[in-house]
Amino acid sequence: QKEVEQDPGPLSVPEGAIVSLNCTYSNSAFQYFMWYRQYSRKGPELLMYTYSSGNKEDGRFTAQVDKSSKYISLFIRDSQPSDSATYLCAMSEDSGYNKLIFGAGTRLAVHP
Amino acid sequence: GAGVSQSPSNKVTEKGKDVELRCDPISGHTALYWYRQRLGQGLEFLIYFQGNSAPDKSGLPSDRFSAERTGESVSTLTIQRTQQEDSAVYLCASSLVSGAGNQPQHFGDGTRLSIL
Repeated sequence: QKEVEQDPGPLSVPEGAIVSLNCTYSNSAFQYFMWYRQYSRKGPELLMYTYSSGNKEDGRFTAQVDKSSKYISLFIRDSQPSDSATYLCAMSEDSGYNKLIFGAGTRLAVHP
Repeated sequence: GAGVSQSPSNKVTEKGKDVELRCDPISGHTALYWYRQRLGQGLEFLIYFQGNSAPDKSGLPSDRFSAERTGESVSTLTIQRTQQEDSAVYLCASSLVSGAGNQPQHFGDGTRLSIL
């Protein structure tokens, strides 16, 4: 069993839809949770970062962490074609961002 | 540009050859990471450098893999006697380190390595 499980998709939605992306994990020591966006042939870029359980909102993006269920989510509101990318969840035990453990990534396509 | 720079962007080589991949981190970033991303998979941690401390090599998959970093500058990842399963994108990231711990990792666009 992988430490972090993420449905690879692809997920195809119409422009304006609300998108829900999810990861589950098995290591209860994970404390830091991140979402990265990766466009084709580019490196990942950090979208959201949360510590422990709770919600965090940034513009159209909301990250949720439920440590009791070992489940994290990223919601994208009013999705745009420019959101089409692969979304990777990542998590870490240590303070800060050392040695991230990544999910496999979910490919998202937002069509006009 | 001020981002993480990796070279070459693409590398095709024959099985059994050695390859060297280069990473130029963001100036002032003392932490540097190497990851491997196989097709359709997430990033796999390889090695971590922080300042003058001994590197964390716990992610290196075999003794054919090695990496060096001189001070807080350029890093090279070397793969000896390449195998077809080494085909992947190799990503480098760097980050600042502050009193609050390591800050977000900034990634380069990777080197796409293909072993024939």
